[in-house]
Amino acid sequence: AQSVTQLDSQVPVFEEAPVELRCNYSSSVSVYLFWYVQYPNQGLQLLLKYLSGSTLVKGINGFEAEFNKSQTSFHLRKPSVHISDTAEYFCAVTLMNTGFQKLVFGTGTRLLVSP
Amino acid sequence: DAGVIQSPRHEVTEMGQEVTLRCKPISGHNSLFWYRQTMMRGLELLIYFNNNVPIDDSGMPEDRFSAKMPNASFSTLKIQPSEPRDSAVYFCASVSGTGSTEAFFGQGTRLTVV
Repeated sequence: AQSVTQLDSQVPVFEEAPVELRCNYSSSVSVYLFWYVQYPNQGLQLLLKYLSGSTLVKGINGFEAEFNKSQTSFHLRKPSVHISDTAEYFCAVTLMNTGFQKLVFGTGTRLLVSP
Repeated sequence: DAGVIQSPRHEVTEMGQEVTLRCKPISGHNSLFWYRQTMMRGLELLIYFNNNVPIDDSGMPEDRFSAKMPNASFSTLKIQPSEPRDSAVYFCASVSGTGSTEAFFGQGTRLTVV
């Protein structure tokens, strides 16, 4: 079965600084990878996804992530964060298969952006 | 489309009572997922349906939990009897079956069992 590890439960950062949120996955077969964001009292919203092709994926709000198969990682980055980026970020994985399979989420990383 | 709609947004109930959470997926989507979110366990997949049929309910914690999808536009998650440890935010998500890889989430139901 697939699994996702987000080692950092919380990442504090100053406004306009760069940030990286780490995600590692485990699976015996090929997977699709996702990053979702959750703002307070909201549901989850898709930031970006890796399905195939270029390993550098760009998403909404200036975020990007790089798929590294050898390190089984899919780290999320942003070169300059804003206060409004304060939220919980979830990495998720699903198996590459016919039809959409269940999404397995990591435990989340809380990004705290301060002035 | 209004997105995935969940009701109620908040529910407070007493231990032992029956609780029913509701979800209306996006029209045309044929996969539906129920998740539970807690501080301790994060996001857990409880059950998912494809074309109204339950595919995997291995995440349902125990027999007190049941889920149904009587038609393509409605699903319920029922807890009977409820216990304080069931307190959590419950999310519903739907996915289009036409090769899509994005799950759309509702805003969740915050359940408090006292």
